Amino acid sequence: QVQLVESGGGVVQPGRSLRLSCAASGFTFSNYGMHWVRQAPGKGLEWVAFISYDENNKYYADSMKGRFTISRDNSKNTLYLQMNSLRAEDTAVYYCVKAAYGDYVLDYWGQGTLVTVSS
Amino acid sequence: SSELTQDPAVSVALGQTVRITCQGDSLRTYYASWYQQKPGQAPVLVIYGKNNRPSGIPDRFSGSSSGNTASLTITGAQAEDEADYYCSSRDSSGNHLVFGGGTKLTVL
Repeated sequence: QVQLVESGGGVVQPGRSLRLSCAASGFTFSNYGMHWVRQAPGKGLEWVAFISYDENNKYYADSMKGRFTISRDNSKNTLYLQMNSLRAEDTAVYYCVKAAYGDYVLDYWGQGTLVTVSS
Repeated sequence: SSELTQDPAVSVALGQTVRITCQGDSLRTYYASWYQQKPGQAPVLVIYGKNNRPSGIPDRFSGSSSGNTASLTITGAQAEDEADYYCSSRDSSGNHLVFGGGTKLTVL
């Protein structure tokens, strides 16, 4: 069965960096695009970034472009999100999500990792 | 980018039918997907494309679209359907994903 396990969350000071990882299993990781989606406490879902199966295409939400970098290592079945210049408003649960049916349908979600940006 | 608009809250009597709507210009071009999220859990895909259900999603869930509005219909709502529901679609660029603000469904 498909499993997506995020790690790397925690408490970080404003302006600092953090890298999230997502270990994928149960499917051929190198065949699918992947997304990061976040959810601030008590708020709705917010799309963060997408990376195509071959890393040739990467797209970011406007509020995160230039600060966040999505990447993947298909040899390790792992997705990453490098987050720089973190702000209090980046505090959220970050979900790793598998894409399907044309890349913009999110068919499997991880359980999420909480990032708290606070001094 | 573009926006998707959902009613913040909807209620339905047990066993009755409820429709949750999502409006946005991008829906004239792209189908919506629908996600169910229960408290403390990750979202789950319930409808995608024209009207497709992933394996394991009950057939009481269905989707439709007309113009700039997509709808999720639950026919014969059950207590376990009480959750937040989010729509999403590509935005006007075709490269970004956008979510609606979510609808909290209460089953009375």
